[in-house]
Amino acid sequence: GAVVSQHPSWVICKSGTSVKIECRSLDFQATTMFWYRQFPKQSLMLMATSNEGSKATYEQGVEKDKFLINHASLTLSTLTVTSAHPEDSSFYICSASGSGITYEQYFGPGTRLTVT
Amino acid sequence: AQSVTQPDIHITVSEGASLELRCNYSYGATPYLFWYVQSPGQGLQLLLKYFSGDTLVQGIKGFEAEFKRSQSSFNLRKPSVHWSDAAEYFCAVGGYDKIIFGKGTRLHILP
Repeated sequence: GAVVSQHPSWVICKSGTSVKIECRSLDFQATTMFWYRQFPKQSLMLMATSNEGSKATYEQGVEKDKFLINHASLTLSTLTVTSAHPEDSSFYICSASGSGITYEQYFGPGTRLTVT
Repeated sequence: AQSVTQPDIHITVSEGASLELRCNYSYGATPYLFWYVQSPGQGLQLLLKYFSGDTLVQGIKGFEAEFKRSQSSFNLRKPSVHWSDAAEYFCAVGGYDKIIFGKGTRLHILP
């Protein structure tokens, strides 16, 4: 149980375009979802936290207008990277937690974004 | 301030040898502690977690960790490593609202 999926697993886009990444909880209701960014050989950096039906809370230094997060249902959150640039290339990982399960986050497999 | 320190960036051990990865934390309240493993290009897999109770925690793949409140430590151990254990290991502290990760320890296995 407690499986989180991400789609796509990897994506290449051109500079200036937008790309959407989906995060789904497959077998539980995710009241809270988290988006992380991981640079090569580095740790995970929390970008934002979103609760279903509410606006996301962004960490300091994360551009809200660039990284749009939507958590419209208890099983789906999306991260849209708008007007992508090569420096946005990274590994993006989502996680989810929900009521009725232990106090921990369940992580998706990650999405590799490459902006050319 | 909440923080997690993994003092070893890289560790190399021979296959079959024992392993200990160090983790120290700073957290205002009773911490929830986690160890995750990440293979290249993959997501995170939870090895084990500590919420309360017995301070020696057993996890998957033969790993265990011991919570020592007096030392603010949560070190990960395995009695005999396998080549497949080569990966990045992250210690983390927090809970359902926020998790703080250490910078990770890259484990290399010598044949």
